[in-house]
Amino acid sequence: SQELEQSPQSLIVQEGKNLTINCTSSKTLYGLYWYKQKYGEGLIFLMMLQKGGEEKSHEKITAKLDEKKQQSSLHITASQPSHAGIYLCGAPLTGFQKLVFGTGTRLLVSP
Amino acid sequence: DTGVSQDPRHKITKRGQNVTFRCDPISEHNRLYWYRQTLGQGPEFLTYFQNEAQLEKSRLLSDRFSAERPKGSFSTLEIQRTEQGDSAMYLCASSLSGGEVFRPAPLHFGNGTRLTVT
Repeated sequence: SQELEQSPQSLIVQEGKNLTINCTSSKTLYGLYWYKQKYGEGLIFLMMLQKGGEEKSHEKITAKLDEKKQQSSLHITASQPSHAGIYLCGAPLTGFQKLVFGTGTRLLVSP
Repeated sequence: DTGVSQDPRHKITKRGQNVTFRCDPISEHNRLYWYRQTLGQGPEFLTYFQNEAQLEKSRLLSDRFSAERPKGSFSTLEIQRTEQGDSAMYLCASSLSGGEVFRPAPLHFGNGTRLTVT
């Protein structure tokens, strides 16, 4: 079973709508990293959450970390076609110098 | 900022052949990672280096796989006697060491090498 579960697995939203992606860990979360991947390309670092309750924003993307629930959420406000891609969460779960990744959430934004 | 570069971008090979991929990390980064990603999955850790020392290898890394980082700069990943199951995207990432003990510095990824074994 996956140590990092993401939900939903895929998502289609209309341009302008808000959306939320969740990442739940089976182990204690000391930090959580969000990445975006365009199809066939590498991962682009979005943000890193280090402390329980921490919330960070970058443009229209906001992420929060809930250490007690071992969970993080990523929220996009007023989605645009440029937000389309695969969103991946990663965390140092099995050794603290490397990241384990979830299976990703595939986002399509329709005009 | 030149970013992490990987070469080649695509490689098609026949089963049983050997292949080698190269990764050039961001110049000031002393950690270098290799991951493998198959369709519909997140990246899976293969191995990582701090400078020239290979500090950890995943159980996914069979004896047919070998990685080197001879001078602590670029790295190569070689797969011997390729099998169809080796078909995947091979991603390289680099980072600074440091950060907090349980919170490594963010990894910066290259665009990957897509391997197809026929």
